[in-house]
Formats: sequence, C-alpha cells, structure tokens
Amino acid sequence: EAGVAQSPRYKIIEKRQSVAFWCNPISGHATLYWYQQILGQGPKLLIQFQNNGVVDDSQLPKDRFSAERLKGVDSTLKIQPAKLEDSAVYLCASSPTLSGGEQYFGPGTRLTVT
Amino acid sequence: AQSVAQPEDQVNVAEGNPLTVKCTYSVSGNPYLFWYVQYPNRGLQFLLKYITGDNLVKGSYGFEAEFNKSQTSFHLKKPSALVSDSALYFCAVRPGYNAGNMLTFGGGTRLMVKP
Repeated sequence: EAGVAQSPRYKIIEKRQSVAFWCNPISGHATLYWYQQILGQGPKLLIQFQNNGVVDDSQLPKDRFSAERLKGVDSTLKIQPAKLEDSAVYLCASSPTLSGGEQYFGPGTRLTVT
Repeated sequence: AQSVAQPEDQVNVAEGNPLTVKCTYSVSGNPYLFWYVQYPNRGLQFLLKYITGDNLVKGSYGFEAEFNKSQTSFHLKKPSALVSDSALYFCAVRPGYNAGNMLTFGGGTRLMVKP
C-alpha cells in the first residue's frame, strides 16, 4: 500500500512570508496528525484530526498556524506569517484509529525560514 | 502531563555486540509505549509497541523492548547490532485510558554501530 505522501519536501522562505504544506494519508486512515520536529528534538504534535474534525490542537500556535482536513482525507498546514523559529521539519502521520495503533509517518517537509 | 526521557544523546556499539537504548516515561494510568526509528531525510518508522500483556515485546528488524512498570522504563534492545541499525531512535508514550490523547516523544538517541 502507498505510504503517507507529503509535499513539498523542502521549502525556503523569508520571515513574514506564508507557506503551506500538503499531506495525503494512507488510504482508509481516519486519523491524521501534524508534527513539528526541530533539529535535535523529538517530534511535537501540533494538531490531530479524526476524519475532518479536530481532536487536539492544544499545541498549535493559532495566531500563525492553521490546518484543515475538509473532506476527511488530505490535509494542509499553513503558517502565516513565518518566523525564524518555525524552521523545522513538519511531519504528517496517519493511523487507522485513535486508539492504541501505531502511527505511520510521511517523509516530512523541511522548512527553512531566513 | 506525560513525558519521556531518553538519557543518552548517543550510544556507540560495535557490530555484533548487544545494544540497549534507554527510555523512561511518566504518564497517568497504564501507558501505551512505542519505539520509532528515523533514518536521514526520512520520516519515522514504527518498530514496536507495548499496550498490554507480555512485558517483552518483539518488533521489526530483530529489535525488542522490555516494559518495566516499577522502574517506568521501556528500554530498546537487540542481541546483535548491525551497521545498518545506525539511526536516530525515539521512544514515545501516551495514556491508555483516553483514546484521543496525544503521543509524546522523547528527544531521541543516536545509535552508532561501528564495524
């Protein structure tokens, strides 16, 4: 089966610009996650969707970050405006259910803000 | 709040020797525990998980992990290391009682296996 797809793989922008990342989860996976992984750290959950509803967005900086999963399949994560500290790898993951299952990760998008 | 500690930034081991990557956790109630591996420029790959049952869990690529409730640990082990095992390893935890609760990752341990 195809894995989690993400695009773009790399993005370089200047601070105060906007950027969007796209994720297509594994077919049939109801739960979708966006993580931020800063260099040298473990991934930190930004937002978690169950179908097209938000389960947890407590760690999403809502003044500049937004995410949607309108049809319950693919998802976009947007940053507007970007700050230098947003430089990180943004990982998307999916799982069949919320409960107990492992998550399957995409290759990530490496964002550099200059 | 839940947390994961991986006390070693890097573990060095010779090929063919046993390896251990340490993980301790803090969580309310019974934990769900996971190990993931990350190769350069790639996303995380699932290795194994503990939810309930036998304290020794076997996973992919010959890895196993031992759940120790009294020590709140979930160390990753392999009897004989390979050079290809060199990668970044992450331990993660979430509470078992709430299906929606988020997964918390440790800071990662870099495993270097030398020929």
